[in-house]
Amino acid sequence: GAVVSQHPSRVICKSGTSVKIECRSLDFQATTMFWYRQFPKQSLMLMATSNEGSKATYEQGVEKDKFLINHASLTLSTLTVTSAHPEDSSFYICSARTEETRNQPQHFGDGTRLSIL
Amino acid sequence: GQQLNQSPQSMFIQEGEDVSMNCTSSSIFNTWLWYKQDPGEGPVLLIALYKAGELTSNGRLTAQFGITRKDSFLNISASIPSDVGIYFCAGPFYNTNAGKSTFGDGTTLTVKP
Repeated sequence: GAVVSQHPSRVICKSGTSVKIECRSLDFQATTMFWYRQFPKQSLMLMATSNEGSKATYEQGVEKDKFLINHASLTLSTLTVTSAHPEDSSFYICSARTEETRNQPQHFGDGTRLSIL
Repeated sequence: GQQLNQSPQSMFIQEGEDVSMNCTSSSIFNTWLWYKQDPGEGPVLLIALYKAGELTSNGRLTAQFGITRKDSFLNISASIPSDVGIYFCAGPFYNTNAGKSTFGDGTTLTVKP
């Protein structure tokens, strides 16, 4: 159980393009989803927390107009990188957790490798 | 912000050896989580700890939630080549909201056959 699917796994596109990444919880209802960014050989950096039906909470220094998050249902959250530039190239990972029982851990998707040319 | 100090940063060991890594914090945790990340993939949950003093095993892996609630260790016994990867500790702090977790910087494990 606790499977999280992330799509696409890899994106290569030109500078100025907007890219949408989907995160789905396949076998549980995700009351909360998280979006992370990871640079090579570094830890996961939390970008934002999203709860179903409400606006995402962004971490300090993350541009909300640049990284649009939508959590329209209990099984789907999307991250859109708007007008992407080479410095946005990174590994983006989502995670999801349920609050149906207390202290449930996050379960992660397999990540999306974004490369902006 | 609050931080986790994870050590060692990297380890190079021979197949069959035991491994130990740990995380400490100046803040109290109410949950400790250990994840493993393979290259190009997302982290996979290995062990979740919920009570101070709790000792939990998952196959060759053993982890403990420190009595002070400020530390945890992960042991791997009889390492094999597929144990290679990056191991992260993580956890929500006591009285935190939103279920956010903070992650350690990771321990990169290399196992020589």
